[in-house]
Amino acid sequence: NAGVTQTPKFQVLKTGQSMTLQCAQDMNHEYMSWYRQDPGMGLRLIHYSVGAGITDQGEVPNGYNVSRSTTEDFPLRLLSAAPSQTSVYFCASSAGTGAGNTIYFGEGSWLTVV
Amino acid sequence: AQSVTQPDIHITVSEGASLELRCNYSYGATPYLFWYVQSPGQGLQLLLKYFSGDTLVQGIKGFEAEFKRSQSSFNLRKPSVHWSDAAEYFCAVHDYKLSFGAGTTVTVRA
Repeated sequence: NAGVTQTPKFQVLKTGQSMTLQCAQDMNHEYMSWYRQDPGMGLRLIHYSVGAGITDQGEVPNGYNVSRSTTEDFPLRLLSAAPSQTSVYFCASSAGTGAGNTIYFGEGSWLTVV
Repeated sequence: AQSVTQPDIHITVSEGASLELRCNYSYGATPYLFWYVQSPGQGLQLLLKYFSGDTLVQGIKGFEAEFKRSQSSFNLRKPSVHWSDAAEYFCAVHDYKLSFGAGTTVTVRA
């Protein structure tokens, strides 16, 4: 009963390094998304996908890339890490985009950029 | 665009006392509203949701929320808090995505 799985849970990066946060779901959900959580700002949408091969930008997409080659996986890439990207990242999935679909969140990935 | 405001950044409550967390939304149509809870170091857990119908919604862990269209509010309540309710609480409104409020941190004192 895995649900939404994110890896790694913790990561420290140096400025300028690149890395990929992995997200996988085993519920055959079409809709997946990435949020970042910062103190006092709640969760903000970075990118989302409504199905394999389809991605779109959210509120704060700059500095991040995504791809959706399979239904199960939705990796988030930091191209050149900056201290401003220090945050907690959450991957989420749901069966569809309608409000009636329950959104399932991963447990989060804590990223520090030094 | 839809938005959610949580006016209280931090609330401290005594164990056994009642709790009310405020949430105000801005949305043109009938909103789909949610409350999530996040325990320290954990992901988000859905407490309850409102789509339509009865304006008083019951959730898990003894929480309830009341939708008031006239006040654009969706406040979360619990009659008697437990120490395990110490967490951060997020109100959210759903359009094609969830838009979250900034969150309210609840501290429970013995």
